[in-house]
Amino acid sequence: GDSVTQMEGPVTLSEEAFLTINCTYTATGYPSLFWYVQYPGEGLQLLLKATKADDKGSNKGFEATYRKETTSFHLEKGSVQVSDSAVYFCALHSNSGYALNFGKGTSLLVTP
Amino acid sequence: NAGVTQTPKFQVLKTGQSMTLQCAQDMNHNSMYWYRQDPGMGLRLIYYSASEGTTDKGEVPNGYNVSRLNKREFSLRLESAAPSQTSVYFCASSFDGRDTQYFGPGTRLTVL
Repeated sequence: GDSVTQMEGPVTLSEEAFLTINCTYTATGYPSLFWYVQYPGEGLQLLLKATKADDKGSNKGFEATYRKETTSFHLEKGSVQVSDSAVYFCALHSNSGYALNFGKGTSLLVTP
Repeated sequence: NAGVTQTPKFQVLKTGQSMTLQCAQDMNHNSMYWYRQDPGMGLRLIYYSASEGTTDKGEVPNGYNVSRLNKREFSLRLESAAPSQTSVYFCASSFDGRDTQYFGPGTRLTVL
């Protein structure tokens, strides 16, 4: 079945550091890929998405590129801020189902 | 435009008690979903409703029932709560089954 694997956290970075959170997936066909962010005590917010191979999703300085050859959708940001501290979820939506398949989440803490 | 709203935000139940979690969306979406979030496990789909008048089981439906009351509202009922149902519950909606899902703020449920 479809699945998403993302790097274990927590990840601790200093402000202005470069961020990469790895995400790889297993799926048949051509799924859509998402990054959601969950700030402390809040629900999930869509951060960015990509619906086909080689698409790049971007938002708020975050980027991720849909790489079908490596089945990956790594999240990157060039310079993180304290306000980016949150849990980040990679998710997959296959063409054949309704559910989003989520990774387990990666907790990011950015220190001043 | 409130998006997806959920009530209550917090609830404590005793084993065996029943309750209903409410969800409403004002985005004219056709599909609605209930997920649960447990530590280290990401989100898992409990039930979904592809369109008004239909409901289907997700990955973890045991112990739950749902009602799609109308296009806007989708409720989740626990008939006899168990400690294993302690979790954070998220409602989501999308225009259709292939579209981006938008999440509510969540309900944190504790079953003693």
